[in-house]
Amino acid sequence: QQQVKQSPQSLIVQKGGISIINCAYENTAFDYFPWYQQFPGKGPALLIAIRPDVSEKKEGRFTISFNKSAKQFSLHIMDSQPGDSATYFCAARHYEGGSEKLVFGKGTKLTVNP
Amino acid sequence: EADIYQTPRYLVIGTGKKITLECSQTMGHDKMYWYQQDPGMELHLIHYSYGVNSTEKGDLSSESTVSRIRTEHFPLTLESARPSHTSQYLCASSAWTSYEQYFGPGTRLTVT
Repeated sequence: QQQVKQSPQSLIVQKGGISIINCAYENTAFDYFPWYQQFPGKGPALLIAIRPDVSEKKEGRFTISFNKSAKQFSLHIMDSQPGDSATYFCAARHYEGGSEKLVFGKGTKLTVNP
Repeated sequence: EADIYQTPRYLVIGTGKKITLECSQTMGHDKMYWYQQDPGMELHLIHYSYGVNSTEKGDLSSESTVSRIRTEHFPLTLESARPSHTSQYLCASSAWTSYEQYFGPGTRLTVT
């Protein structure tokens, strides 16, 4: 119930291509879905986030698509660049009994070839 | 870029030693978190705090302890380090009215 399943585990894309990473969840109490980008040796950095009352959110080359009925959401990176090579984590926020927690997916290592 | 700092960045220490990982933020955030992350793996919440003198255990069982005596400071302590504690430890903070968590650069701990 508290899991967020992320796929694929790794992804190789050519420069200029579209990178797509998918996440699925079971707990309908999740109310906030962020994506984090992590470079080696660094902490995760918030990339983009969406709430379940919105089906899509776009910020520059990054778009989140959210399907509430299917309990799935995905990150699309348009015109992928070598600088986008990093590990991406989806997450979901759960609030219960006065405490809130982020549950993270297992991550997707993205490699963008020049 | 978020102003959240962790020291040391890297630590190699022998079994049985006591260690404290430091985390400080200058944003005045009330909420702070500690996560454990093995290389290339997901983050697991081990401790969190919603303000001074407030600490709670997270989802992943951990032998570490935390304290929150000042808003900006959230140290994590291991009384007796073991090789199983080898991991990366990430600190994060969030404003009271926000869902966004800002992460520090992490401390990579190796226990020999």
